[in-house]
Amino acid sequence: AIQLTQSPSSLSASVGDRVTITCRASQGISSALAWYQQKPGKAPKLLIYDASSLESGVPSRFSGSGSGTDFTLTISSLQPEDFATYYCQQFNNYRFTFGPGTKVDIK
Amino acid sequence: EVQLVQSGAEVKKPGESLKISCKGSGYSFTSYWIGWVRQMPGKGLEWMGIIYPGDSDTRYSPSFQGQVTISADKSISTAYLQWSSLKASDTAMYYCARRGSSFLGMDVWGQGTTVTVSS
Repeated sequence: AIQLTQSPSSLSASVGDRVTITCRASQGISSALAWYQQKPGKAPKLLIYDASSLESGVPSRFSGSGSGTDFTLTISSLQPEDFATYYCQQFNNYRFTFGPGTKVDIK
Repeated sequence: EVQLVQSGAEVKKPGESLKISCKGSGYSFTSYWIGWVRQMPGKGLEWMGIIYPGDSDTRYSPSFQGQVTISADKSISTAYLQWSSLKASDTAMYYCARRGSSFLGMDVWGQGTTVTVSS
């Protein structure tokens, strides 16, 4: 089964900072990757699909890139509402595993 | 409005059976895969499996194969997750989510069902 790792596992940042989160797959998955944001007590929210496509209604400060085994989620200018945990998910062969998550909190 | 509405919180004893539900509305229920995701207290998201309600094609994560059963009743636009014998380690929040029709991402999520298993 394909494993996903995320780095860092947590980070502290300030409003306005540029934030980058990395997701690495144990084998190539083309562009079959999505990114989600989850706030405490809430269901996850889709941000990015197909590795780099922005979900409708998601602010343009979020972007995704990568293919194969290495992927990146970037928040260009962190806003107060962006403090949350972020997960990547791969879509290979119906075993759609998630990464362990990256918690973004306030510095 | 496209939405998935899950059944309410459950409190059960070890060894009991349970079936929780996820009702879709606002879209063609038979045309989208529905997945189930577990989140244990304070932990990350775990993929359990997925079903295509149109023909009931079901795929399980190896970690959950044989531990749960995923099903759907397309006549009432509802997907299910069931256990035949609960364990304390099944205590978690369970989410259903819809997979995008032409893209790879879970675009609509239910609100979650909390399952507590305790003697």
